[in-house]
Amino acid sequence: DIQMTQSPSSLSASVGDRVTITCRASQGISNYLAWYQQKPGKVPKLLIYAASTLQSGVPSRFSGSGSGTDFTLTISSLQPEDVATYYCQKYNSAPLTFGQGTKVEIK
Amino acid sequence: QVQLVQSGAEVKKPGSSVKVSCKASGGTFSSYAISWVRQAPGQGLEWMGGIIPIFGTANYAQKFQGRVTITADESTSTAYMELSSLRSEDTAVYYCARGSLHYDSSGYLQHWGQGTLVTVSS
Repeated sequence: DIQMTQSPSSLSASVGDRVTITCRASQGISNYLAWYQQKPGKVPKLLIYAASTLQSGVPSRFSGSGSGTDFTLTISSLQPEDVATYYCQKYNSAPLTFGQGTKVEIK
Repeated sequence: QVQLVQSGAEVKKPGSSVKVSCKASGGTFSSYAISWVRQAPGQGLEWMGGIIPIFGTANYAQKFQGRVTITADESTSTAYMELSSLRSEDTAVYYCARGSLHYDSSGYLQHWGQGTLVTVSS
């Protein structure tokens, strides 16, 4: 099975900072990569699919890029409401494996 | 608007089974995959398996093979996840989520249920 590895596992940044999270697949998955945001105590929310397509209603400060095995999620200007754990997920075929998550906090 | 409403919290004894339901409304049920994802306390998201109701055949993550059964009832637009031989490590919130593609078990998870807490304790 393809493994998904995120880095870092956690980060602390200041409001307004640019934040980048990386996700690496153990084999190529083309652009079948989604990103989810999970705020504490809440249900996961789809942010990005097809590696770079923003889900409707998601703020434009979020962006995704990558293809094959290496992907990034970028928050261009971190806001207090972005405090959450972010997960990548491959969805080209089952199993639909998630990365282990990246916890984003405000410094 | 697609909505997934799950059954309520459960407390189970080790060795027993639990069956969680997920009722869909507001969209086409039969042709989209329903996945089950769990999250142990303080841990990440873990995909357990999924089913396309119109086909009726589920696929499972290797970790749960033989212990989980995912089914769907098209007449009530409800999917079910049954986990057997429960142990304390199965204490988690269990989510159902609908896939994004017609007739395809892959696809990102666009719509999520509210989650069901299953606690396994003697």
